[in-house]
Amino acid sequence: EAGVVQSPRYKIIEKKQPVAFWCNPISGHNTLYWYLQNLGQGPELLIRYENEEAVDDSQLPKDRFSAERLKGVDSTLKIQPAELGDSAVYLCASSLVGGDEQFFGPGTRLTVL
Amino acid sequence: QKEVEQNSGPLSVPEGAIASLNCTYSDRGSQSFFWYRQYSGKSPELIMFIYSNGDKEDGRFTAQLNKASQYVSLLIRDSQPSDSATYLCAVKDGNKLVFGAGTILRVKS
Repeated sequence: EAGVVQSPRYKIIEKKQPVAFWCNPISGHNTLYWYLQNLGQGPELLIRYENEEAVDDSQLPKDRFSAERLKGVDSTLKIQPAELGDSAVYLCASSLVGGDEQFFGPGTRLTVL
Repeated sequence: QKEVEQNSGPLSVPEGAIASLNCTYSDRGSQSFFWYRQYSGKSPELIMFIYSNGDKEDGRFTAQLNKASQYVSLLIRDSQPSDSATYLCAVKDGNKLVFGAGTILRVKS
């Protein structure tokens, strides 16, 4: 069974540039999560989707971050414009609806110069 | 915002010893608790979850939960160098997980 797929794995950009991350969850997993993980910290939830609906985006900085999950499968997280403080690992995870076990993708390591 | 606290470590144990990792949480009403392992440069992977007070064993791993003390622990028996990683404690808050900052474990051969 294929796991959660994310791309790109690494991204280096200059501040004020836009960037986008893509996630393909495990087949059949209707719940999708985007997390931010800073060095030496645990993951922090940015947004959670149930199918196409964003059911928890309270921690998403909406002035510069946006996300979409068209058709309830793949998801894209965008930052525009990026700031130096956005340098971190962006993790995507998926689970069955109501399921406790979340499966994480390999993450995208973003460096903003 | 619910909080999950862990000692950042590093916790160093010799090969074959028992490693004890601890976690406290702020919300007395929390019901579900998880331990994830994260190797350097990799993503978190679930080791165990526990819902009820007491111990839950899975191979070399034992999770312990004490809701009265708001305390969760993970014991790793017969520690191996391959167990060296960061261990993240997480508590379920509604439909999301709140993670601690993790404890770095180093098992020395």
